[in-house]
Amino acid sequence: QVQLQESGPGLVKPSETLSLTCTVSGDSISSDYWSWIRQPPGKRLEWIGYIYNSGSTNYNPSLKSRVIISVDTSKNQFSLNLSSVTAADTAIYYCARGPTRSGLDYWGQGTLVTVSS
Amino acid sequence: DIQMTQSPSSVSASVGDRVTITCRASQDISSWLAWYQQKPGKPPKVLIYAASTLQSGVPSRFSGSGSGTDFTLTISSLQPEDFATYYCQQANSFPFTFGPGTKVDVE
Repeated sequence: QVQLQESGPGLVKPSETLSLTCTVSGDSISSDYWSWIRQPPGKRLEWIGYIYNSGSTNYNPSLKSRVIISVDTSKNQFSLNLSSVTAADTAIYYCARGPTRSGLDYWGQGTLVTVSS
Repeated sequence: DIQMTQSPSSVSASVGDRVTITCRASQDISSWLAWYQQKPGKPPKVLIYAASTLQSGVPSRFSGSGSGTDFTLTISSLQPEDFATYYCQQANSFPFTFGPGTKVDVE
C-alpha cells in the first residue's frame, strides 16, 4: 500500500520560502512520477509541478520562477520549495503519485500552509 | 493553459437519484480526462481516468463518457457516501488543470 505524508511549517511569513517534504512508503521514489498540488481556500486545485527519473522536473509556468521540486532517494522523500510567498500562496498543499496513466492515484492527507506575518 | 469548466456548480439530490455532471475543456484533449471525488478534509480520490475507465475499487455506479472537449460523469444511483465535490482534470498538456468542482449535496 502506497502512502504519502506531507510535513513542514504551517505558517510562513510573506517574502519567505515555503518548504514542504513528502515522505513516501510502499513505493520507490526513484520510480514513477511525484507531484505537488495545492488548493487555496474555496478555490480549485492547482498543479504546482512534478518530478520523475530521480531529478527531472516539470513546473507550472505560473509558478516556475519560484518553484523547486527535489528528491532525496536515500530517504524516499521529495520536497517543494516555493520562494517569495504572498498571501495568495495560502493553501492546502498535497503531495501525490503521478501523473500516471490513471491520474493522481495516491495522495497525502494535505497540509495547510498559511502565509501571514 | 487549457481551461476546464464544470456544470452545474452544485446539485441537490436524494439517495437513489441519477446524477450527471458535465465538464468542458477549452480545447481538444482527446480522452485525457480524469474525474476525482473529494470529501471535506480529505484529499481527492481518482474515480475515472482516460475519460471512461473506472479506477480499481470504484463502484460501478460511477461512469464516465466523452472525448474531445465535452465529458460527463454519471452516478447511476446516488448512495449516502457519494455526497461530495467532484472535479474533472485534463491530462492532455501540462500544466494539467482542474475544473472548479461540482458539489453534490442532500436535497
